[in-house]
Amino acid sequence: GQNIDQPTEMTATEGAIVQINCTYQTSGFNGLFWYQQHAGEAPTFLSYNVLDGLEEKGRFSSFLSRSKGYSYLLLKELQMKDSASYLCAVNYGGATNKLIFGTGTLLAVQP
Amino acid sequence: EAGVAQSPRYKIIEKRQSVAFWCNPISGHATLYWYQQILGQGPKLLIQFQNNGVVDDSQLPKDRFSAERLKGVDSTLKIQPAKLEDSAVYLCASSLVRGGGYTFGSGTRLTVV
Repeated sequence: GQNIDQPTEMTATEGAIVQINCTYQTSGFNGLFWYQQHAGEAPTFLSYNVLDGLEEKGRFSSFLSRSKGYSYLLLKELQMKDSASYLCAVNYGGATNKLIFGTGTLLAVQP
Repeated sequence: EAGVAQSPRYKIIEKRQSVAFWCNPISGHATLYWYQQILGQGPKLLIQFQNNGVVDDSQLPKDRFSAERLKGVDSTLKIQPAKLEDSAVYLCASSLVRGGGYTFGSGTRLTVV
């Protein structure tokens, strides 16, 4: 079956850097997404990795290693508004375009 | 570009009643997904449509849940009869092509009492 693992909760301090890890096992791989979800809201897109390496977008960066089935999301210069759940999701299944989510990592940013 | 529209935004029903949710995806998006998100968990795929055909409904509790996507555009998800454990947010998402962006609607928060 398909499986995605990520930590349940993390805590970090405002202004610091935090890394949220994600490991996956899926039948086929098209790409990996990171979404941010604030309480009571729909997930919003953060990043998409298809090839190995680091993708940087402002304060957020995402890394992918396909051989290791591993990704991480790096958040720099943390702000209070970054307190949210961060969802790792894998697009797999070739042309069927399936998308499976991890359980999410609830990040609490403290002053 | 208009986003994914969902209604209603909130719904409270008693157990054993029926309920229906509606989703209108982004125009031209061939793939439509319904996810169930229980509080504190990640979204779980219920059913995926490609145009008006079902791609994956392996996790849909077919004894009580049903979904359709007539004419390959908007979709409805129905629960009949509802159980307490169906309390969750039901998210609809759509995408244009494989690996393309997935856009989520605001979701319908269902409470079964």
